[in-house]
Amino acid sequence: AQSVTQLGSHVSVSEGALVLLRCNYSSSVPPYLFWYVQYPNQGLQLLLKYTSAATLVKGINGFEAEFKKSETSFHLTKPSAHMSDAAEYFCAVRSSNNNAGNMLTFGGGTRLMVKP
Amino acid sequence: KAGVTQTPRYLIKTRGQQVTLSCSPISGHRSVSWYQQTPGQGLQFLFEYFSETQRNKGNFPGRFSGRQFSNSRSEMNVSTLELGDSALYLCASSSGLPTGELFFGEGSRLTVL
Repeated sequence: AQSVTQLGSHVSVSEGALVLLRCNYSSSVPPYLFWYVQYPNQGLQLLLKYTSAATLVKGINGFEAEFKKSETSFHLTKPSAHMSDAAEYFCAVRSSNNNAGNMLTFGGGTRLMVKP
Repeated sequence: KAGVTQTPRYLIKTRGQQVTLSCSPISGHRSVSWYQQTPGQGLQFLFEYFSETQRNKGNFPGRFSGRQFSNSRSEMNVSTLELGDSALYLCASSSGLPTGELFFGEGSRLTVL
Protein backbone atom coordinates (compact mmCIF):
# COMPACT_ATOMS: atom_id res chain seq x y z
CA ALA A 1 0.00 0.00 0.00
CA GLN A 2 1.16 3.48 -0.74
CA SER A 3 1.26 6.30 1.76
CA VAL A 4 2.27 9.94 1.81
CA THR A 5 3.59 11.94 4.74
CA GLN A 6 3.72 15.70 4.76
CA LEU A 7 5.91 17.02 7.53
CA GLY A 8 4.40 20.08 9.14
CA SER A 9 0.67 20.69 9.03
CA HIS A 10 1.35 24.43 9.20
CA VAL A 11 4.24 26.38 7.71
CA SER A 12 4.69 30.11 8.09
CA VAL A 13 7.09 32.18 5.98
CA SER A 14 7.65 35.84 5.36
CA GLU A 15 6.84 37.37 2.00
CA GLY A 16 9.88 36.99 -0.23
CA ALA A 17 11.31 34.09 1.74
CA LEU A 18 11.93 30.57 0.49
CA VAL A 19 9.00 28.18 0.62
CA LEU A 20 9.80 24.53 1.42
CA LEU A 21 7.00 22.04 1.90
CA ARG A 22 8.06 18.49 2.63
CA CYS A 23 6.60 15.29 1.24
CA ASN A 24 7.79 11.73 1.69
CA TYR A 25 6.15 8.74 0.12
CA SER A 26 6.13 5.04 0.73
CA SER A 27 5.84 2.80 -2.30
CA SER A 28 7.42 -0.42 -3.45
CA VAL A 29 8.12 1.05 -6.86
CA PRO A 30 8.59 4.67 -7.89
CA PRO A 31 5.12 6.08 -8.22
CA TYR A 32 3.71 9.10 -9.94
CA LEU A 33 3.74 12.11 -7.62
CA PHE A 34 1.69 15.25 -7.57
CA TRP A 35 1.39 18.51 -5.70
CA TYR A 36 -2.01 20.19 -5.50
CA VAL A 37 -3.03 23.52 -3.99
CA GLN A 38 -6.41 24.31 -2.45
CA TYR A 39 -7.66 27.81 -1.80
CA PRO A 40 -10.57 28.35 0.63
CA ASN A 41 -13.88 27.02 -0.61
CA GLN A 42 -12.36 25.73 -3.79
CA GLY A 43 -11.32 22.42 -5.28
CA LEU A 44 -7.78 21.24 -5.86
CA GLN A 45 -5.54 22.70 -8.54
CA LEU A 46 -2.55 20.82 -9.89
CA LEU A 47 0.76 22.58 -9.30
CA LEU A 48 3.06 19.98 -10.82
CA LYS A 49 3.52 16.27 -11.38
CA TYR A 50 6.34 13.73 -11.61
CA THR A 51 5.76 10.86 -13.99
CA SER A 52 9.24 9.32 -14.28
CA ALA A 53 10.71 11.84 -16.69
CA ALA A 54 12.96 14.62 -15.36
CA THR A 55 13.48 14.45 -11.61
CA LEU A 56 13.27 18.23 -11.24
CA VAL A 57 9.78 19.28 -12.12
CA LYS A 58 8.68 22.84 -12.70
CA GLY A 59 5.10 23.80 -12.13
CA ILE A 60 2.84 26.78 -12.15
CA ASN A 61 3.23 29.96 -10.11
CA GLY A 62 7.00 29.50 -9.76
CA PHE A 63 6.84 26.25 -7.81
CA GLU A 64 9.10 23.30 -8.43
CA ALA A 65 9.77 19.93 -6.86
CA GLU A 66 12.56 17.40 -7.01
CA PHE A 67 12.01 13.66 -6.99
CA LYS A 68 14.67 11.91 -4.89
CA LYS A 69 14.29 8.17 -5.05
CA SER A 70 16.99 7.50 -2.46
CA GLU A 71 15.17 9.67 0.05
CA THR A 72 11.64 8.77 -1.16
CA SER A 73 10.93 12.47 -1.14
CA PHE A 74 9.21 14.98 -3.38
CA HIS A 75 9.57 18.32 -1.62
CA LEU A 76 7.93 21.44 -3.02
CA THR A 77 9.86 24.70 -3.19
CA LYS A 78 9.45 28.26 -4.33
CA PRO A 79 12.31 30.78 -4.13
CA SER A 80 10.21 33.74 -3.06
CA ALA A 81 6.84 33.57 -1.35
CA HIS A 82 3.97 35.85 -2.33
CA MET A 83 0.96 36.68 -0.23
CA SER A 84 -1.17 34.94 -2.86
CA ASP A 85 0.61 31.64 -2.10
CA ALA A 86 -1.23 31.33 1.20
CA ALA A 87 -3.29 28.16 0.82
CA GLU A 88 -3.29 24.48 1.69
CA TYR A 89 -0.95 22.22 -0.24
CA PHE A 90 -1.37 18.51 -0.76
CA CYS A 91 1.14 15.95 -1.93
CA ALA A 92 -0.34 12.88 -3.60
CA VAL A 93 0.90 9.59 -4.96
CA ARG A 94 -0.50 7.37 -7.66
CA SER A 95 0.70 3.94 -8.60
CA SER A 96 2.71 3.75 -11.80
CA ASN A 97 0.97 0.45 -12.52
CA ASN A 98 -1.13 1.30 -15.53
CA ASN A 99 -3.85 -1.05 -14.32
CA ALA A 100 -4.26 0.80 -11.05
CA GLY A 101 -6.53 3.48 -12.40
CA ASN A 102 -6.43 7.05 -11.22
CA MET A 103 -6.66 6.55 -7.48
CA LEU A 104 -4.62 9.15 -5.61
CA THR A 105 -3.44 8.78 -2.04
CA PHE A 106 -3.06 12.18 -0.42
CA GLY A 107 -0.91 13.42 2.39
CA GLY A 108 -2.51 15.24 5.28
CA GLY A 109 -1.86 18.66 3.78
CA THR A 110 0.26 21.65 4.78
CA ARG A 111 -1.29 25.02 5.36
CA LEU A 112 1.08 27.73 4.17
CA MET A 113 0.82 31.13 5.78
CA VAL A 114 2.68 34.10 4.32
CA LYS A 115 3.44 37.03 6.58
CA PRO A 116 3.82 40.53 5.13
CA LYS B 1 -12.94 24.46 -22.20
CA ALA B 2 -15.35 24.11 -19.30
CA GLY B 3 -13.99 22.61 -16.11
CA VAL B 4 -15.45 19.98 -13.83
CA THR B 5 -18.89 21.01 -12.61
CA GLN B 6 -20.37 19.74 -9.39
CA THR B 7 -23.92 20.28 -8.19
CA PRO B 8 -25.18 21.22 -5.76
CA ARG B 9 -22.39 23.27 -4.19
CA TYR B 10 -23.97 23.29 -0.74
CA LEU B 11 -26.63 21.20 0.87
CA ILE B 12 -27.98 20.42 4.30
CA LYS B 13 -29.56 17.11 5.20
CA THR B 14 -30.67 15.41 8.37
CA ARG B 15 -29.57 12.06 9.72
CA GLY B 16 -31.19 9.12 8.00
CA GLN B 17 -31.84 10.93 4.76
CA GLN B 18 -30.09 10.17 1.50
CA VAL B 19 -28.30 12.47 -0.90
CA THR B 20 -27.26 12.43 -4.54
CA LEU B 21 -24.38 14.53 -5.83
CA SER B 22 -23.69 15.16 -9.47
CA CYS B 23 -20.49 15.68 -11.43
CA SER B 24 -20.01 16.71 -15.06
CA PRO B 25 -16.46 16.02 -16.19
CA ILE B 26 -14.39 17.93 -18.68
CA SER B 27 -15.50 17.18 -22.21
CA GLY B 28 -13.71 14.11 -23.54
CA HIS B 29 -12.69 12.80 -20.14
CA ARG B 30 -13.80 9.25 -19.47
CA SER B 31 -12.57 8.83 -15.91
CA VAL B 32 -14.38 10.32 -12.94
CA SER B 33 -13.19 9.92 -9.36
CA TRP B 34 -14.78 10.95 -6.09
CA TYR B 35 -13.05 12.00 -2.89
CA GLN B 36 -14.27 12.90 0.56
CA GLN B 37 -12.51 15.70 2.41
CA THR B 38 -12.94 16.20 6.15
CA PRO B 39 -10.82 18.05 8.73
CA GLY B 40 -10.18 14.86 10.65
CA GLN B 41 -9.54 12.31 7.89
CA GLY B 42 -8.26 14.56 5.14
CA LEU B 43 -8.77 13.57 1.52
CA GLN B 44 -9.96 10.03 1.05
CA PHE B 45 -10.67 8.19 -2.16
CA LEU B 46 -14.22 6.95 -2.60
CA PHE B 47 -14.34 5.40 -6.07
CA GLU B 48 -13.40 5.82 -9.70
CA TYR B 49 -15.46 5.19 -12.78
CA PHE B 50 -14.11 4.71 -16.28
CA SER B 51 -16.40 4.21 -19.25
CA GLU B 52 -19.37 3.48 -16.97
CA THR B 53 -17.49 0.81 -14.98
CA GLN B 54 -16.23 1.13 -11.44
CA ARG B 55 -12.48 0.73 -11.70
CA ASN B 56 -11.46 1.30 -8.08
CA LYS B 57 -13.19 1.58 -4.75
CA GLY B 58 -11.97 3.03 -1.50
CA ASN B 59 -12.63 1.82 2.01
CA PHE B 60 -16.10 3.21 2.60
CA PRO B 61 -19.28 1.45 3.68
CA GLY B 62 -21.85 0.30 1.19
CA ARG B 63 -23.98 3.35 1.97
CA PHE B 64 -21.72 5.17 -0.45
CA SER B 65 -22.35 4.31 -4.06
CA GLY B 66 -21.84 5.82 -7.45
CA ARG B 67 -22.47 5.42 -11.11
CA GLN B 68 -21.39 6.84 -14.41
CA PHE B 69 -23.54 7.48 -17.42
CA SER B 70 -22.72 7.03 -21.09
CA ASN B 71 -21.92 10.74 -21.41
CA SER B 72 -19.33 10.31 -18.61
CA ARG B 73 -21.37 12.33 -16.11
CA SER B 74 -21.30 10.75 -12.71
CA GLU B 75 -23.42 10.71 -9.58
CA MET B 76 -22.66 9.54 -6.10
CA ASN B 77 -25.25 8.62 -3.53
CA VAL B 78 -25.03 8.38 0.21
CA SER B 79 -27.90 6.64 1.94
CA THR B 80 -28.90 6.69 5.61
CA LEU B 81 -26.80 9.77 6.30
CA GLU B 82 -24.79 9.99 9.50
CA LEU B 83 -23.33 13.08 11.17
CA GLY B 84 -19.87 11.89 10.17
CA ASP B 85 -20.78 12.12 6.50
CA SER B 86 -20.56 15.90 6.73
CA ALA B 87 -17.74 16.73 4.36
CA LEU B 88 -16.66 18.33 1.13
CA TYR B 89 -17.14 15.83 -1.68
CA LEU B 90 -14.80 16.41 -4.58
CA CYS B 91 -15.14 15.06 -8.06
CA ALA B 92 -12.19 14.81 -10.42
CA SER B 93 -12.05 13.97 -14.08
CA SER B 94 -9.22 12.63 -16.15
CA SER B 95 -8.53 11.43 -19.63
CA GLY B 96 -7.80 8.04 -18.12
CA LEU B 97 -4.31 7.88 -19.59
CA PRO B 98 -1.66 6.53 -17.21
CA THR B 99 0.01 9.89 -16.63
CA GLY B 100 -3.16 11.92 -17.02
CA GLU B 101 -3.69 14.49 -14.35
CA LEU B 102 -6.87 14.82 -12.35
CA PHE B 103 -8.88 18.00 -12.70
CA PHE B 104 -11.02 18.72 -9.65
CA GLY B 105 -14.33 20.46 -9.33
CA GLU B 106 -15.07 22.93 -6.55
CA GLY B 107 -16.87 20.31 -4.55
CA SER B 108 -20.22 19.77 -2.91
CA ARG B 109 -20.28 20.67 0.75
CA LEU B 110 -22.66 18.41 2.64
CA THR B 111 -23.78 19.19 6.16
CA VAL B 112 -25.68 16.52 8.06
CA LEU B 113 -27.69 17.69 11.06
